Amino acid sequence: QSVLTQPPSVSGAPGQRVTISCTGSSSNIGAGFDVHWYQRLPGTAPKVLIYAYVNRPSGVPDRFSGSKSGTSASLAITGLQAEDEADYYCQSYDTSLRGYVFGTGTKVTVL
Amino acid sequence: QVQLQESGPGLVKPSQTLSLTCTVSGDSISSDVYYWSWIRQPAGEGLEWIGRIYTSGNTNYNPSLKSRATISLDTSKNHFSLKLSSVTAADTAVYYCASQVQGVFRYWGQGILVTVSS
Repeated sequence: QSVLTQPPSVSGAPGQRVTISCTGSSSNIGAGFDVHWYQRLPGTAPKVLIYAYVNRPSGVPDRFSGSKSGTSASLAITGLQAEDEADYYCQSYDTSLRGYVFGTGTKVTVL
Repeated sequence: QVQLQESGPGLVKPSQTLSLTCTVSGDSISSDVYYWSWIRQPAGEGLEWIGRIYTSGNTNYNPSLKSRATISLDTSKNHFSLKLSSVTAADTAVYYCASQVQGVFRYWGQGILVTVSS
């Protein structure tokens, strides 16, 4: 039921910058609903990384940043580190489905 | 910081009702700050929001599950629960409970694997 599309995987060498896109539609991101990003490290529960497109909870490094453009959102990781290897999910609200929706998920691999 | 912990049977037979509890610590479940939610993830698939409940008892459900899901609060035990009726193998998943504020799932439990099998 994922209506937010993400690339299945992205990879980069340590120190590089990678970006993850989250493509929605006029019933979710395009309708003005906030996008939030979660990181799930292996064997752990998801953790909020970015909320309301660009805000970081305390304790999240500023290497992580978010942005929005039209019906899409993006998560950027600069200065990629081995500890960033994880699954990343975007999340928003969809008026057509009348509920909260998650992205398809992206696995980040550090080469 | 709010902490959540799921509990319940790890194995449920087809057609029966799945019952899970989420015990909350670090804040009162009667707090007017949070919605208390359930989310699940089948193996190899994405995250799916099941529904949520507010301290008032008001609930919202994923329309795809609404007819089978029921979420309730027990303020005396500071926990909330999920019941999912008429389960099938498609309901096999890791189930998470989470606290939600302003649309963000702020704190999550560790998750519990529930397998539907005879």
